[in-house]
Amino acid sequence: DAGVTQSPTHLIKTRGQHVTLRCSPISGHKSVSWYQQVLGQGPQFIFQYYEKEERGRGNFPDRFSARQFPNYSSELNVNALLLGDSALYLCASSRTSGRLGDTQYFGPGTRLTVL
Amino acid sequence: KQEVTQIPAALSVPEGENLVLNCSFTDSAIYNLQWFRQDPGKGLTSLLLIQSSQREQTSGRLNASLDKSSGRSTLYIAASQPGDSATYLCAAFSSNTGKLIFGQGTTLQVKP
Repeated sequence: DAGVTQSPTHLIKTRGQHVTLRCSPISGHKSVSWYQQVLGQGPQFIFQYYEKEERGRGNFPDRFSARQFPNYSSELNVNALLLGDSALYLCASSRTSGRLGDTQYFGPGTRLTVL
Repeated sequence: KQEVTQIPAALSVPEGENLVLNCSFTDSAIYNLQWFRQDPGKGLTSLLLIQSSQREQTSGRLNASLDKSSGRSTLYIAASQPGDSATYLCAAFSSNTGKLIFGQGTTLQVKP
């Protein structure tokens, strides 16, 4: 089975633009979480979705939004990009709701550079 | 608020050495603790997951322990190899918030 996939792998945008990142979970997984990892730091939680509903939100501005589709894939949208949004964006999937704490499997990430 | 700290930030050892990576967390109400490996510019690979009711987990040359009362977890790597060079991250899963809280990571270099 394929692991978690993310697209694109790399992305370069300019300040003020909008970006959409995509994630496909492992087959059979219904939960998707998004994390932002700035260089030299650990990942920071952004969102968690389970069964197409938002189950958790981290301390990020409203410029960040996400959604989950009926096939459990997910999109992360960031509006009005700032230089500080430059980071590796990681998607993780798990079999059940995040509240059960089962193993999360991470994708390779999307490297976003904002100029 | 859960905070996870990893010390040291970086570690360099000769090949063959046994080593211990440390992780501490402030809120003992965790559901589980995971250790991940991250190669430069790559995603995270799950190494070990310890449930709150467990004391340790082992996989090959890796052994992770969990002491909730002291807010500590350690990752023990036996007979280190150059291929073990990577950043190791620990993350505490809080049942209160339903999310993983990560430490900053320990970057390990194993020299041949």
